[in-house]
Amino acid sequence: AQKITQTQPGMFVQEKEAVTLDCTYDTSDPSYGLFWYKQPSSGEMIFLIYQGSYDQQNATEGRYSLNFQKARKSANLVISASQLGDSAMYFCAMREDRGAQKLVFGQGTRLTINP
Amino acid sequence: GAVVSQHPSRVICKSGTSVKIECRSLDFQATTMFWYRQFPKQSLMLMATSNEGSKATYEQGVEKDKFLINHASLTLSTLTVTSAHPEDSSFYICSARAWQGANSPLHFGNGTRLTVT
Repeated sequence: AQKITQTQPGMFVQEKEAVTLDCTYDTSDPSYGLFWYKQPSSGEMIFLIYQGSYDQQNATEGRYSLNFQKARKSANLVISASQLGDSAMYFCAMREDRGAQKLVFGQGTRLTINP
Repeated sequence: GAVVSQHPSRVICKSGTSVKIECRSLDFQATTMFWYRQFPKQSLMLMATSNEGSKATYEQGVEKDKFLINHASLTLSTLTVTSAHPEDSSFYICSARAWQGANSPLHFGNGTRLTVT
């Protein structure tokens, strides 16, 4: 069964600093996708970035980048030049490409950006 | 693009009543929609996969007779919480994929906060 682990319940970072949010996963499927979502206090889920298991390069989307280390089964999210508006819950998620293709979420990390 | 609309955003109901939550894909067709539940300060737990024109697939431990899912068209799925009790109070959020590629993310509705008194 697929499993996603986020070991940081909370992170506190000074504005303008970079922050890394950890995510490890476990799957027996060789083909899978990894996703990061942001959930502000309002509750909506905002898609940030995607990394495919066969992608050779780390994904980047603006200030977001994904540090994908396949052998270690980790997919850490890096936010550069953090802003006050980055304060939110962040969820790592995985979808195996076979079977039901369900998206399974990690426990989440609450990121707080301090001015 | 890829907008998912969920209604209502908040609902308060009395114990024993039923509540229907609607999830619509506004600018794409979705043969499959996913319903999640989120308790305060916790992660999203998949409840069921809603399949257009067929029965929903429920996750282990989710009561299908309590959480009725209907996916009558390619743009609408509904979740009905039947005979709601206070322990059903939660944040329910639906999602769908706009296309079937491996890199297609789930697009989420804004969620429904259900409070059962």
